[in-house]
Amino acid sequence: GEDVEQSLFLSVREGDSSVINCTYTDSSSTYLYWYKQEPGAGLQLLTYIFSNMDMKQDQRLTVLLNKKDKHLSLRIADTQTGDSAIYFCAENPNDYKLSFGAGTTVTVRA
Amino acid sequence: EPEVTQTPSHQVTQMGQEVILRCVPISNHLYFYWYRQILGQKVEFLVSFYNNEISEKSEIFDDQFSVERPDGSNFTLKIRSTKLEDSAMYFCASSFRGRVEQFFGPGTRLTVL
Repeated sequence: GEDVEQSLFLSVREGDSSVINCTYTDSSSTYLYWYKQEPGAGLQLLTYIFSNMDMKQDQRLTVLLNKKDKHLSLRIADTQTGDSAIYFCAENPNDYKLSFGAGTTVTVRA
Repeated sequence: EPEVTQTPSHQVTQMGQEVILRCVPISNHLYFYWYRQILGQKVEFLVSFYNNEISEKSEIFDDQFSVERPDGSNFTLKIRSTKLEDSAMYFCASSFRGRVEQFFGPGTRLTVL
C-alpha cells in the first residue's frame, strides 16, 4: 500500500540547518520527491532522488535516502526566511500517480 | 521555462452546478494529472490521463467527475453536479513520461456554496 508519513511542524532559526524527515511504504517507487508549497501558491518541485541512490546534493539542499528503512530526509543548509513553506514528500508507486505526505510546515524565525 | 497553467485561479459556484476547470500542460508532455487539496489536508490524487484515456483514477473520482483533452493543448476536469465537499484547491500536473517528476500548475481554488 501507499502511505507517506511526515512530521507536521518544524521551527528553525535563520542560518541554521533544517532537516525534514519522511517515511514511505511502497518499495516499488522509482523516484522520491520533495515539493515546496508557499502560502497560497502551487506545488514547486524542489528536488528528487532515484531510488538506487542514497544521497543527492543540489546547492543548499541535500536529500538522503535509506531504502532499507524506507526513510527519506531533506536537509536545507543556511535556512532563510524565504524557505518558510510547507514541504511535501512524495513517492510514485506506479507510472500514473504521486502519493503525498501530509506536509511539514517549516517556520523560519529570525 | 515552460510551465503548467490553470484557469480560473478561483471559481465560486452554487451546489449542484457544473464546473469546468482548465489546464494547459507543458507542450511536449504526454501524461496529465489532476490532484486536489482540501484546505489543511494532504494533496490527493484524482486521475491520470495518457494516450487519450484515463490510465488510473482514485476512489474520489466518481461518476460526477470527468476529464477531457479537447484539443492538442487543453486538459479539463469537469464536475457535473458540485457538492459542498468538492470545495478544494485543484492542481493540474503533467510529465513527459510515467514515473518521473510531475510539474504542477498554480491551482484553481473551487468554492462551492
